[in-house]
Amino acid sequence: RKEVEQDPGPFNVPEGATVAFNCTYSNSASQSFFWYRQDCRKEPKLLMSVYSSGNEDGRFTAQLNRASQYISLLIRDSKLSDSATYLCVSRTGGGNKLTFGTGTQLKVEL
Amino acid sequence: EPEVTQTPSHQVTQMGQEVILRCVPISNHLYFYWYRQILGQKVEFLVSFYNNEISEKSEIFDDQFSVERPDGSNFTLKIRSTKLEDSAMYFCASSVAPGGDQPQHFGDGTRLSIL
Repeated sequence: RKEVEQDPGPFNVPEGATVAFNCTYSNSASQSFFWYRQDCRKEPKLLMSVYSSGNEDGRFTAQLNRASQYISLLIRDSKLSDSATYLCVSRTGGGNKLTFGTGTQLKVEL
Repeated sequence: EPEVTQTPSHQVTQMGQEVILRCVPISNHLYFYWYRQILGQKVEFLVSFYNNEISEKSEIFDDQFSVERPDGSNFTLKIRSTKLEDSAMYFCASSVAPGGDQPQHFGDGTRLSIL
């Protein structure tokens, strides 16, 4: 079983739509979680950390459910510039390495 | 905004040759990392480095790989005898501190092509 699993997509949505991505992780020792975005052939860029209480940054909301080992990202009012691959990332307690999912591709269209 | 810088942006090397990839982490960061991404695949951890020592490494990081911080600013990844399967995008990252919610910030990568 993959350590971090995501639906690869692509999700094709119209501009202004709300879209949600899900991610599951298999290692119960995972302690920290992040969403990164990656544009084609570019570096991963931190979008936001994910906290147990849920957190919001502008149009982006992240949720963590430790009991279900499930993370989500909600994007409201999608912009064309949101088109990218969204990477779900975990860090296991005691270590520094980040474990990446394969990413979910989002295409926002006019 | 401070950023991680990597050179070169693209390196083409013959199989069997040595290659050195260079990174300048963010200046007040103390923890450094290398990751790689084979085309079409996920980002994979290679190694983390702190206080002039490797703190963690993956199975990918075998004896052909080494890392070094030769001076106060550079952090390098050396591949001694490159193989075709080493072709990938190599990302350097750094963070202020390990663990917790401290994010790792990535450089824009070096595309390594082995012929």
